[in-house]
Amino acid sequence: ETGVTQTPRHLVMGMTNKKSLKCEQHLGHNAMYWYKQSAKKPLELMFVYSLEERVENNSVPSRFSPECPNSSHLFLHLHTLQPEDSALYLCASSQDIVRGWETQYFGPGTRLLVL
Amino acid sequence: KQEVTQIPAALSVPEGENLVLNCSFTDSAIYNLQWFRQDPGKGLTSLLLIQSSQREQTSGRLNASLDKSSGRSTLYIAASQPGDSATYLCAVISGSEKLVFGKGTKLTVNP
Repeated sequence: ETGVTQTPRHLVMGMTNKKSLKCEQHLGHNAMYWYKQSAKKPLELMFVYSLEERVENNSVPSRFSPECPNSSHLFLHLHTLQPEDSALYLCASSQDIVRGWETQYFGPGTRLLVL
Repeated sequence: KQEVTQIPAALSVPEGENLVLNCSFTDSAIYNLQWFRQDPGKGLTSLLLIQSSQREQTSGRLNASLDKSSGRSTLYIAASQPGDSATYLCAVISGSEKLVFGKGTKLTVNP
């Protein structure tokens, strides 16, 4: 496989469930990102990891818990979510934390519905 | 706080027409500006990246311009095709080194 992959592509969960989203990049990049895309709102950065170390937590509620075991994998652990957390969750990677000359490569996203 | 606005929110044009999508940002101190394409239910694909020192970038039928001083960028699509139908997102990187996105313009090109 090439590029950035995300699993599952679709997820329905109750508010008391615990689930995890997985992202894998096959590009040899050192930085990985989680974004949330809600209907009618701009894409929002959630977390940034560089060389497996979290460098950004953009005021995200603790019911979202990221994990980066190595530079190729990124997880988002979900627990006791709210219906307003329903959104498309996108993972991205870049060679390093973005400076002016770099770009991010996005995965296809996980469409999450919280009932 | 950087804010990015895209106008219009939606646009429908007949095939073959040339069109312009607009993006404005509030803080002109940016590192770069990027245009992305997003197909329904899918991730983002980077189309063009303009460095802060550049004024435009071209790729095929796409041309993006940047006017930092006025906080504006335009994406010009020549000879539009039905396959161009998608949501186009503008994003900037500024001092916080985060990508700040606009809400996007949903483009429909009718055959």
